[in-house]
Amino acid sequence: DVLLVESGGDWVQPGGSLRVSCGASGLIFSDAWMGWVRQAPGKGLEWVGRIRSGGTTDYAAAVEGRFTISRDDSRNTMFLQMNSLKTEDTAMYYCSTDWDGDSHSQGAYWGQGTLVTVSS
Amino acid sequence: DIQMTQSPSILYASVGERVTITCRASQSVSRWLAWYQQKAGKAPKLVIYKASNLQSGVSSRFSGSGSGTEFTLAINNLQPDDFATYYCQHYYSDSRTFGQGTKVEIK
Repeated sequence: DVLLVESGGDWVQPGGSLRVSCGASGLIFSDAWMGWVRQAPGKGLEWVGRIRSGGTTDYAAAVEGRFTISRDDSRNTMFLQMNSLKTEDTAMYYCSTDWDGDSHSQGAYWGQGTLVTVSS
Repeated sequence: DIQMTQSPSILYASVGERVTITCRASQSVSRWLAWYQQKAGKAPKLVIYKASNLQSGVSSRFSGSGSGTEFTLAINNLQPDDFATYYCQHYYSDSRTFGQGTKVEIK
């Protein structure tokens, strides 16, 4: 079974930085396109960005230039580096699988989320 | 960016009813449309992908249809476990956008 586990969520002051991680098992991680989705308290889902196998990235306009997604295929882990954090970045951050070229599905597997709180 | 609009925002229904949720895209996304179910405090769960394909393990009471800019999620014979919030998401381009969600509540 595919398992995604996020970690690293924390409280951080506005303007600060934080890196959260997503560890994966049960899939060929190096072939997997992976993504991040966030959900502010009481709000809907918001796409953050994704990283393809090979490392090419795409981002939502709200985080472009501040957030960086990377991956370490040797550790089956994806990272989200968040800089210049704003109070509006406060959310639960979920990692998920992105596009699956075999099935043509999207978002088949999700982690349980890690909470990032940006507040003074 | 492609905008996704769901309707209604809240839907009140009874067990056993058939309900439908609509998702409209601001431009064509072909059939690259997914539907997710989310319960309070839990991660989203994929229900339908590529507009009409039922995700493995999901009840056949769920079905999806549509293409281009208009899509529908239907739930037949609504069960207590189906009361949740549903989101559509396009994956047509290098970005992905979610609809604002539709909460299905007990009437």
